[in-house]
Amino acid sequence: NAGVTQTPKFQVLKTGQSMTLQCAQDMNHNSMYWYRQDPGMGLRLIYYSASEGTTDKGEVPNGYNVSRLNKREFSLRLESAAPSQTSVYFCATAWGPITYEQYFGPGTRLTVT
Amino acid sequence: SQQGEEDPQALSIQEGENATMNCSYKTSINNLQWYRQNSGRGLVHLILIRSNEREKHSGRLRVTLDTSKKSSSLLITASRAADTASYFCATEETSGSRLTFGEGTQLTVNP
Repeated sequence: NAGVTQTPKFQVLKTGQSMTLQCAQDMNHNSMYWYRQDPGMGLRLIYYSASEGTTDKGEVPNGYNVSRLNKREFSLRLESAAPSQTSVYFCATAWGPITYEQYFGPGTRLTVT
Repeated sequence: SQQGEEDPQALSIQEGENATMNCSYKTSINNLQWYRQNSGRGLVHLILIRSNEREKHSGRLRVTLDTSKKSSSLLITASRAADTASYFCATEETSGSRLTFGEGTQLTVNP
């Protein structure tokens, strides 16, 4: 089992370009999350999907959109990248939205110039 | 703003010593979780303690929770060089269905 996979691993964008970060899981988990981690900081929640067919904003949703494509896949889209979006992005999954541990992917390191 | 705050921000110890990290939070919680992150990797779940629990053990890890003081501690006993990592606490508030992470403690265990 691959667990939680993220693509791409690295990406460099120019300001104004768009891209989609992909996350897939084979754990049959219901809940999926997108976080960003900036140097020396903890994780901040961008968007989450408590179950298939639902998505909700987290702490820092501006500049991002998400799609829960099916139970396995949850994508994060940057429509017009800005240097402030330079970060490491992590996808995570959990059995449910409440009182369950989260399983993290390896991350996508994004640089916006 | 961050719900959890870890203390200290950085900790350097010798192999074999114990390491203690603390986490404070602001609001009522359902549970508190500790995660570990090796450099350049994703987070790995270590332990979950519910609001009605006071102490939990897992191998060399011991977690305590004091809801009256809104604080938790993570103790790693007999540390090893392989324990070198960042450790994060994360809280699930009673009002929400998501985790809020602290800024982490960077632990360095010197061989």
